[in-house]
Formats: sequence, C-alpha cells, structure tokens
Amino acid sequence: DAKTTQPPSMDCAEGRAANLPCNHSTISGNEYVYWYRQIHSQGPQYIIHGLKNNETNEMASLIITEDRKSSTLILPHATLRDTAVYYCIVRVYGGSQGNLIFGKGTKLSVKP
Amino acid sequence: GAGVSQTPSNKVTEKGKYVELRCDPISGHTALYWYRQSLGQGPEFLIYFQGTGAADDSGLPNDRFFAVRPEGSVSTLKIQRTERGDSAVYLCASSLRKTSFDEQFFGPGTRLTVL
Repeated sequence: DAKTTQPPSMDCAEGRAANLPCNHSTISGNEYVYWYRQIHSQGPQYIIHGLKNNETNEMASLIITEDRKSSTLILPHATLRDTAVYYCIVRVYGGSQGNLIFGKGTKLSVKP
Repeated sequence: GAGVSQTPSNKVTEKGKYVELRCDPISGHTALYWYRQSLGQGPEFLIYFQGTGAADDSGLPNDRFFAVRPEGSVSTLKIQRTERGDSAVYLCASSLRKTSFDEQFFGPGTRLTVL
C-alpha cells in the first residue's frame, strides 16, 4: 500500500498557485518525498523530490513540514497544461528497491 | 533526445491468447521498470531490471507474466493465456541508476484490451 494520503481531486484557477497537500505520517528518516504527475494518456513525469529542506526547481516548489509528516507541492502559476494527476511518493534515497509505489494521487483540474 | 518508447500503443486480443509488449528505454539507461495501470488507479509495479537481470520481480501477479531484457536494453513483457482482468495500460520506465537519485522516465504505455 502507498504510504501517502492525498485528496482525490482539486480545482485551481489558471494563473493562480496550485497547492497540493500530501500526508506521510509514517515516513522514515531515510525516506525522501517525491512528486510525479501524469497528464492524460501519458506516462508519469518526475517533478521534484526532497528530504527535509524546501526545494524549488523550474517546475514547482516542495514544502516539507519540520516533522516531515506532510508536504505541499506548489505550482506557482498554474496553466491549463498543468491539469493532471499528481502523485506523492515516499521512497528510500538510493535504496536497492527500484520501484515507485503510487497511490491514487490528486486529480488537479486547472480552469480558465 | 529520444525518450522511452513502447510498442504497440494499443493491443486488442482475445481471452487465452499470448501477447508481447515491447519497451525501448533511453539509450544508456541501465535500469528498466514495468508497471501496470488500471483505470482510475496509480501505476502498479511489476518488475525491475538492472542490466540484463531481473533485480526484483515481486510485482508480477502470477506465472502467466514474464519479462526479458536479453541485451540490457530493449525489454519485452510477455503475457500467456491472457484474461480479461489483464486489461490495463502497461507502462515502461528507465533510469540511469548510476547515482543515488534515479529519476524514472516513463514511456506512453501500451493499452492492452482482452476481449
């Protein structure tokens, strides 16, 4: 079973920030938080990952709480092309286990 | 550059038939993964190759499913005696796996329909 809990769906207005929450209360000290997204009829795409510090890249920002039990993915200026299912995954960094364990994710709908 | 490609994009077969699904990973990627995605669900892990060998096949649902990667690049997922419950999108991903962080790059998937 996935180790994360996400809301099944969210709406966001185009141009506004999209804030996608994720709960991972059982996260271990050596597990990172990863975010992938899946646009309709495509394979999942990596977005960002982090351990305990906030992270930012060209796609998004990741805010992880101090106790690491939850995190938020932020798309600063959502566009219609950001409509997708967003998956939050916890995983050991560099572990021998190769696979990603996906839950059902959050379906984000960006509306004009 | 070229991403992960999968063929065919769609496959319709009849119950009981044998199917092969092909995955061409990104050149130079040593790790290759197969996942299966049913409607409304997240992808579910099937098998992971490191080079030519299966490093983890714990996700294969039963012995009707088998995968190979004989030369450490292209992989084929084989399903014998297909059942209607095998209908799903089969996703392939590859990664460098040379550093601790191995971003997985996914292909577009093969949609398998078993009638």
